[in-house]
Amino acid sequence: TQLLEQSPQFLSIQEGENLTVYCNSSSVFSSLQWYRQEPGEGPVLLVTVVTGGEVKKLKRLTFQFGDARKDSSLHITAAQPGDTGLYLCAGVRAGKSTFGDGTTLTVKP
Amino acid sequence: ETGVTQTPRHLVMGMTNKKSLKCEQHLGHNAMYWYKQSAKKPLELMFVYSLEERVENNSVPSRFSPECPNSSHLFLHLHTLQPEDSALYLCASSQDSVLAGGPHEQFFGPGTRLTVL
Repeated sequence: TQLLEQSPQFLSIQEGENLTVYCNSSSVFSSLQWYRQEPGEGPVLLVTVVTGGEVKKLKRLTFQFGDARKDSSLHITAAQPGDTGLYLCAGVRAGKSTFGDGTTLTVKP
Repeated sequence: ETGVTQTPRHLVMGMTNKKSLKCEQHLGHNAMYWYKQSAKKPLELMFVYSLEERVENNSVPSRFSPECPNSSHLFLHLHTLQPEDSALYLCASSQDSVLAGGPHEQFFGPGTRLTVL
């Protein structure tokens, strides 16, 4: 079974702070996605990374895929209350997606 | 309607009831998925349909029965459920069929919050 571990599991910070969420596995993935889920809604795709070492930026969010395509990180700069939610990573391998257990982020005003 | 829709959004049922969850995708995608999301657990993949054929059944109990009549619609029929089946049931779709390559980016519906009494 492919296992994706996310850390930290819970994170509570003040508005304006920076944070990094990690997604680690012992398996190699062909691509990796990050999703954000708000209470009462389904996950929404934020980004897909495909190439080892790839870095993608989406406004204040920076996503990196590890060189070996086994891990990824999500960095948020100057977090805002609107960033609050559950962040999920999902690794894709042989047409199958495996989801991490999620990081619950709370950004306090 | 756009994206992926699910009905009902909330469902309360007894253990002897029979009910169905409905999912519809308006994206022209080739694959559809059912997931179960419970508190403090990762998303659990239940079923995958690719080009209207079931390609994945992750040891899901037979009290859950999926149906995919066409590429836009997916149902999950429920009968004699247990209280531990209470969870958020999410439907998703992706452009790529499972056997094809590609990133399999999934688009999720809002989910059905199921409570089994």
